[in-house]
This record gives sequence, C-alpha cells and structure tokens, in this order.
Amino acid sequence: NAGVTQTPKFQVLKTGQSMTLQCAQDMNHNSMYWYRQDPGMGLRLIYYSASEGTTDKGEVPNGYNVSRLNKREFSLRLESAAPSQTSVYFCASRGGGLFQPQHFGDGTRLSIL
Amino acid sequence: AQKITQTQPGMFVQEKEAVTLDCTYDTSDPSYGLFWYKQPSSGEMIFLIYQGSYDQQNATEGRYSLNFQKARKSANLVISASQLGDSAMYFCAMREGTGYSTLTFGKGTMLLVSP
Repeated sequence: NAGVTQTPKFQVLKTGQSMTLQCAQDMNHNSMYWYRQDPGMGLRLIYYSASEGTTDKGEVPNGYNVSRLNKREFSLRLESAAPSQTSVYFCASRGGGLFQPQHFGDGTRLSIL
Repeated sequence: AQKITQTQPGMFVQEKEAVTLDCTYDTSDPSYGLFWYKQPSSGEMIFLIYQGSYDQQNATEGRYSLNFQKARKSANLVISASQLGDSAMYFCAMREGTGYSTLTFGKGTMLLVSP
C-alpha cells in the first residue's frame, strides 16, 4: 500500500537554487494538494489541483509553482529558493465525495541556507 | 478570522486516562465536515475521525470519539484509555460544503501521555 509517495524526504538547498518536489498517488484520486508546515502554524495550503488539468492557488502560493502532470502526479517547484521557504512540505490526495479525508505523504524536510 | 481554533497548545494526560482536545470552528455554511489528524514525532499525518455537519450521531472510531456540539460550533476529540503511543500533535480541520472547498487546519495541540 504505497498511498501517497513524496520524494525526496530531505533536501538542503542554497538560496537561489531551484528544486522540484515530486508527489505521486496510487489511489486514483482526483484531488491533490501541497501544504507547508511551519512550527506553530499548522498546515497551510500552497496549491491544489481539483482534477487532472487544473491547478489553483491556496493560502501561501508566492514563490511556488505546480504541475499536475497526470492524474497520479503533482509536483511543486521552487524556482529561486529563499530561507523563508525552509519548511516541511506535505503532499496529499483525496478522492470520492466532498467529505472524504485527505491522505498524506510522509513529507519532505527542506532547508534553505 | 480563524476558521479553526485549537486553544490548547499542549496537554498532559496519564496513561489509561481519557483526554479531551478542544476544537472550535467558524463557518456560515450549513454543510461542512470536521476532521481530526494525528502527527506523531515521526512526522506523518494520520487521519483519525470525521464528523459531518448533518450527522445526527457523534462519530466514533475505536478509542477516538468526536464530541460534536453544533450550536456551540465545537468538535472536540476525546481519546479514551490513553496509551503512550498517543503522544503526538493533533490537528483539527474543516472543509466547507459550498463549491470546491479546501481543508483548513488549526494550529494543533501537542498531547503528552505519561506512564
């Protein structure tokens, strides 16, 4: 049972470098999400994709781009990393009815120096 | 305005006792869902329990139950017979039913279970 798989699990970048975080789900879910988690802030939504071919901004989209490559994959790109983007990033997916729970990947710990 | 409020940054409980984690929410949408997630120190987010706004009964899942008080807009998580493995961060979240709505999380409550 893979569920939601995120790669990499850890990454250290220098300011200004670019990076793509990968996410894939094998549950045939339509909706996928990217969150960031910072101490004391809970989870904040960066971008989401309600279905293949669509993406929308969440609460904190600045500095990020996303691609819904196909139904399974939803990637998050940092074009020019900044120290403020040091965080733990979670990908999630959801299928079925409106009130189905989101299923999360294990997270990516990203540090930007 | 915050949609989800968790007022307890940290809670302590002894093993085998019950504990209640508070969550209040704010919405004008008559249709919504409330979720609780657990995040242990290993970092993953684990779905625990769900309550729909139209559900007549409080949700239960094993040792977890949701004390849903609609008029007070509260959805407290009750963990019965706490275990050491329950030590974790707990997040309350809500999704509103109008249009395509996303999940809004509270800031979490850290629960520590002592022997």
